[in-house]
Amino acid sequence: EVQLLESGGGLVQRGGSLRLSCADSGLTFSTYAMSWVRQAPGKGLEWISTISASGGNTYYADSVRGRFTISRDNSENTLSLQMNSLRAEDTAIYFCASTLRYCIGGGCYSSPGAFDIWGQGTMVTVSA
Amino acid sequence: QSALTQPASVSGSPGQSITISCTGTSNDIGVYNYVSWYQQYPGKAPKLLIYEVNNRPSGVSNRFSGSKSGNTASLTISGLRAEDESDYYCISYTSTTTLYVFGTGTKVTVL
Repeated sequence: EVQLLESGGGLVQRGGSLRLSCADSGLTFSTYAMSWVRQAPGKGLEWISTISASGGNTYYADSVRGRFTISRDNSENTLSLQMNSLRAEDTAIYFCASTLRYCIGGGCYSSPGAFDIWGQGTMVTVSA
Repeated sequence: QSALTQPASVSGSPGQSITISCTGTSNDIGVYNYVSWYQQYPGKAPKLLIYEVNNRPSGVSNRFSGSKSGNTASLTISGLRAEDESDYYCISYTSTTTLYVFGTGTKVTVL
């Protein structure tokens, strides 16, 4: 079973950088697409980035494209989010999450947008 | 890409059924069956309730069901319980410059 644990959050000045990590204690990390979702204080959920199981495809929300970089190391079972040029509006709890996979008819599929395992979240605060 | 539209709040009495709507566009809900629903308690990570419009992951109560018509998806909670008092979010795959878009969120209150 996938268990996710984020780290790397903290207080950073506007314009600064921070790198978040998400460690998976399960054995099948390399078969799951992984995502980052954030939640600003008192606000709703915002999807910000997804990386395919192999790492060959990455996707970003318009709000972070060009500033954030998602990556993964399947040999270390680790997902990362490099955040540069941070803004006050990036202040949020950042969650990593894995995409649901199900097997049917001899094949296995990922379900887009179905994040079934979540970490506990790590807080990022960008000071003005 | 704007967030999907959900009602800010929905309430019901124990035992009743309530429905939460999630309205999108022809770029997301209208063309894809990749709509999921999440439940989130304060200070906790979200929990997946429904995927691909109307499928429940293992372990999720059958009191939760999903549907879709046109550009609007819906989550129905039957036999409402005090423990259902929580925030609920929808999400859809989208064909715009982003990949996914969440709904604005709905606070469910059990009267």
